[in-house]
Amino acid sequence: GQQLNQSPQSMFIQEGEDVSMNCTSSSIFNTWLWYKQDPGEGPVLLIALYKAGELTSNGRLTAQFGITRKDSFLNISASIPSDVGIYFCAGPQTSGSRLTFGEGTQLTVNP
Amino acid sequence: DGGITQSPKYLFRKEGQNVTLSCEQNLNHDAMYWYRQDPGQGLRLIYYSQIVNDFQKGDIAEGYSVSREKKESFPLTVTSAQKNPTAFYLCASSIGGLARSNEQFFGPGTRLTVL
Repeated sequence: GQQLNQSPQSMFIQEGEDVSMNCTSSSIFNTWLWYKQDPGEGPVLLIALYKAGELTSNGRLTAQFGITRKDSFLNISASIPSDVGIYFCAGPQTSGSRLTFGEGTQLTVNP
Repeated sequence: DGGITQSPKYLFRKEGQNVTLSCEQNLNHDAMYWYRQDPGQGLRLIYYSQIVNDFQKGDIAEGYSVSREKKESFPLTVTSAQKNPTAFYLCASSIGGLARSNEQFFGPGTRLTVL
């Protein structure tokens, strides 16, 4: 079945640093979704990408839909302590409305 | 405000008891989903429903049951047959149907602890 590989699994950075994480698959995806989950809460949708090569920003967050349609990247600029959480990528499975989720990247920001 | 609500936030049950987790949405979404999340893990799909009165098993349906009698409600029952029920349970919904968007929107989650 379709799988999404996220890397890195965890990141420890200093406040103010930029962050980059990615999601790859052996299958083609037509949509890439990026979510953030705060501790003890449900994931919140950050950015949705629908077109190969698309680059979309949401404040300090920028995500790109890879040109091969098999990968996506999320960048966070000038990190702040509230960026702490787990970031998930997701893409729709070929049939139905199910999503495939990556395993997540745990981000820790030291003040 | 439109959104998804899950109640309660924390739930404690004795081993061997069935327990039902509530999920309600007022987004007028056709599709609803239940996920399980264990510490340090990703999301695993339990059940999903694309339309009222219809639902399908996800990847880890054993020991769980659902119903979808109303569009806005998708309760999940954790039965005594579920061998390791302690986990964080997340409900989500999406527009569904033939909509282009596959975006799912999540509730705040229910943390179930079985003693």
